[in-house]
Amino acid sequence: GAGVSQSPSNKVTEKGKDVELRCDPISGHTALYWYRQSLGQGLEFLIYFQGNSAPDKSGLPSDRFSAERTGGSVSTLTIQRTQQEDSAVYLCASSVYSPGSNEKLFFGSGTQLSVL
Amino acid sequence: GENVEQHPSTLSVQEGDSAVIKCTYSDSASNYFPWYKQELGKRPQLIIDIRSNVGEKKDQRIAVTLNKTAKHFSLHITETQPEDSAVYFCAATVRGGADGLTFGKGTHLIIQP
Repeated sequence: GAGVSQSPSNKVTEKGKDVELRCDPISGHTALYWYRQSLGQGLEFLIYFQGNSAPDKSGLPSDRFSAERTGGSVSTLTIQRTQQEDSAVYLCASSVYSPGSNEKLFFGSGTQLSVL
Repeated sequence: GENVEQHPSTLSVQEGDSAVIKCTYSDSASNYFPWYKQELGKRPQLIIDIRSNVGEKKDQRIAVTLNKTAKHFSLHITETQPEDSAVYFCAATVRGGADGLTFGKGTHLIIQP
């Protein structure tokens, strides 16, 4: 079946504009994660969804960042009033939630965000 | 919270030689340690993982070792091949699965022909 799908693959925006990034997880995966990958900085956790709820939002860097998930499927990450330091690759991942067992993250190909 | 340090940031080895990447973690309650490989321009993919009740795990040319006392774990790749060139990320979590993973900053492994 299809893997994790993210759109757009590239987004160039002007400082101060809002952007929306979309993630379509693998069908049946109840857990969904957003990460940010900056050059040389590894994978920075942003937010985790279990179904439609977000039990862990601890990684969101500021109140300009928000995310939602509807229908236990598609998720949208919104960045308001973008700043140049928001430029990065935003990766979405999904997994089958199974408490106490190993869970493999399936990553999307990411959205390259460039804020000019 | 958890802090994961990864070394080296870049590693260059001759094809056929072995490569070792090391990670340390701060939270002694961490119990799950996966390794992800990201080839240039591609998405990260899980290559191997280990739980805290196991000291070593092997899968063909790759192996992971865990030292809970010292709070460090390592990835070993033997008989390296050109397709091993990639960025490798270690991670750790206290939650036993993909939830709550803290990643290291990555190691760029370069295989010299």
